[in-house]
Amino acid sequence: EVQLVESGGGLVKPGGSLRLSCAASGFTFSRYSMNWVRQAPGKGLEWVSSISTSSSYIYYTDSVEGRFTISRDNAKNSLYLQMNSLRAEDTAVYFCARDRNTSSSFEYWGQGTLVTVSS
Amino acid sequence: DIQMTQSPSSLSASVGDRVTITCRASQGISIWLAWYQQKPEKAPKSLIYTASNLQSGVPSRFSGSGSGTDFTLTISSLQPEDSATYYCQQYNSYPLTFGQGTRLEIK
Repeated sequence: EVQLVESGGGLVKPGGSLRLSCAASGFTFSRYSMNWVRQAPGKGLEWVSSISTSSSYIYYTDSVEGRFTISRDNAKNSLYLQMNSLRAEDTAVYFCARDRNTSSSFEYWGQGTLVTVSS
Repeated sequence: DIQMTQSPSSLSASVGDRVTITCRASQGISIWLAWYQQKPEKAPKSLIYTASNLQSGVPSRFSGSGSGTDFTLTISSLQPEDSATYYCQQYNSYPLTFGQGTRLEIK
């Protein structure tokens, strides 16, 4: 059974940093591209970042480019999102999502971790 | 960036009704479109990929169609458990983008 479990969320002050983790199990992690998708309270889904299997290809949405860094450790079956210079508008539930084998649609999702940026 | 526009934003229908949700892309995306279902306080769930392929385990009353810029998600016979918000997503190019969502309520 595919499982994605996010952790690392919490309350942080504007300008602060946070590192999210996603522990994957139930599939060969190194064979799939991975993603972060977020959802602000009461709002829709927003794609944040994607990383290819060997980390060769990385993409970000414009609003986080230069502040967030996606990474993965295939030996540890883990995905990460380092978030720096956090803003109030980054407040959201952050979901880890696995690509489908042949495309950038999201076949499996974690339960999400809440990040709150507030003074 | 490719903008995805869903309609309607919300709808109310009765059990057994046929329901259709539309998603329009601001430029052609071939068949690179997915649909997701999200229930309150839950993670989204994959329903449809490549416009018309049903995710394994999803009931056959869900179907998708379209290509280019216009797509539809159809629920052939609405069930109480289908109450949720539905999102389309294009993956033709980065940045990946979602529609704003359609909230489906059961009368």
